[in-house]
Amino acid sequence: NAGVTQTPKFRVLKTGQSMTLLCAQDMNHEYMYWYRQDPGMGLRLIHYSVGEGTTAKGEVPDGYNVSRLKKQNFLLGLESAAPSQTSVYFCASSYQGNTEAFFGQGTRLTVV
Amino acid sequence: AQTVTQSQPEMSVQEAETVTLSCTYDTSESDYYLFWYKQPPSRQMILVIRQEAYKQQNATENRFSVNFQKAAKSFSLKISDSQLGDAAMYFCAFNPTTANSKLTFGKGITLSVRP
Repeated sequence: NAGVTQTPKFRVLKTGQSMTLLCAQDMNHEYMYWYRQDPGMGLRLIHYSVGEGTTAKGEVPDGYNVSRLKKQNFLLGLESAAPSQTSVYFCASSYQGNTEAFFGQGTRLTVV
Repeated sequence: AQTVTQSQPEMSVQEAETVTLSCTYDTSESDYYLFWYKQPPSRQMILVIRQEAYKQQNATENRFSVNFQKAAKSFSLKISDSQLGDAAMYFCAFNPTTANSKLTFGKGITLSVRP
C-alpha cells in the first residue's frame, strides 16, 4: 500500500531557483496538508486543502504556493528559494479533519 | 486560533520504567480531537493515540495511555514499561471538529530511553 508518497526525498537548490514538491495519496482523502519541520519548532503548517480545488493558508505560508487540481495530489511550490526555506517538508492527508493524518516520508530541502 | 504547548524539550526514562509527557492546548472550541504522534529517527510520523474531547474516558493503546483533563486543557501521554524502541520525538496535536479545520502540532519532545 503506497499511502502518502512525496517526491523528491532530497533536493539541494541554489538561492533564487524554483521547484515543486509533489504529494500523492491513494486513500481518497479529502484533507491534505503541507508542513515544515525545523529543529526546536515542531511541525508548522504551510498550506492545507479540505478538498479538490480548495487551498488555505496555514501558519507560515509566505514564499510558498500550492495547488490541488486533483483530489489525490497536493503540490507545494517555491518560486524563488531562500536559505530560510531549508527544512524538512512533510505532506499529510486525512479522510476528515478529526481522523488520523497519514504522513509521507518527508523531503529534505537545502537551499544554498 | 488554537495553540499547542509542549514545554519539556527533552526527557529521559530508564528502560521498563514509566514516563509521562506533558501537553497543554488553548482553544475556544468545545469539540475537538487530540493526538499523540511519534517520530523515530527514520523520520516517519506514526500515530500513537487519539482522544475525542467529548469522551470522558481516557484513551489507551497497549502501553500508551493518556490523561485528558478538558477543564485544564491538558493532554499528557503516559508510556508504561518503556522500551528502547520508544526512543523518539513525540508530538501532541489538536484538531477541532468544525468544518475546514486544520491539524496543529506542538513543538515536540525528545524522549531517550536508558538501557
